[in-house]
Amino acid sequence: AQSVTQPDIHITVSEGASLELRCNYSYGATPYLFWYVQSPGQGLQLLLKYFSGDTLVQGIKGFEAEFKRSQSSFNLRKPSVHWSDAAEYFCAVGDSSASKIIFGSGTRLSIRP
Amino acid sequence: NAGVMQNPRHLVRRRGQEARLRCSPMKGHSHVYWYRQLPEEGLKFMVYLQKENIIDESGMPKERFSAEFPKEGPSILRIQQVVRGDSAAYFCASSPRTGRGANVLTFGAGSRLTVL
Repeated sequence: AQSVTQPDIHITVSEGASLELRCNYSYGATPYLFWYVQSPGQGLQLLLKYFSGDTLVQGIKGFEAEFKRSQSSFNLRKPSVHWSDAAEYFCAVGDSSASKIIFGSGTRLSIRP
Repeated sequence: NAGVMQNPRHLVRRRGQEARLRCSPMKGHSHVYWYRQLPEEGLKFMVYLQKENIIDESGMPKERFSAEFPKEGPSILRIQQVVRGDSAAYFCASSPRTGRGANVLTFGAGSRLTVL
């Protein structure tokens, strides 16, 4: 069965510092991988997605993620965070059958001024 | 393009009452997903529907919960005889019919249910 693990519940980084949020997945075939962001009281917004091809994918708001098959990981990165990046970040996995998309438990990002 | 519309945004019910949550997908989207988010938790898949068909309801509780997506009108998530544990945010998402875009979910702003 598909599963997604986000090992960090809460991360605090200083504004301007670099960021890496971890995501590990379990899936038998080549997964479709996603990162979403949720601001308080809001729905989820897609940051980026990986289906195939180049393992480094670029997203909106300066985020990128790298698919590493050998490590079953899809970590999210940003070189320099802004205070407006404070939010909850969710990693998700799907497949080519376009059935249910499974989400991780999320990582809350706080920004230190 | 109004995006995914959910209503009501906030709903308060007393124990034993019924809750109905509605979701209108984005124009051109024919797949609808419902997720539940409990406080301080992630999103839990509930059900995946296409028009007039339930494709996957493996995340739905066996009792009191039902979902539909009729040929005309919005998708409805219905919770009968609500209990306090049903208090949560319920998110609807939609996606296109085919292709890789079928995996890309567009979310509504959610419906927050409070059971007194």
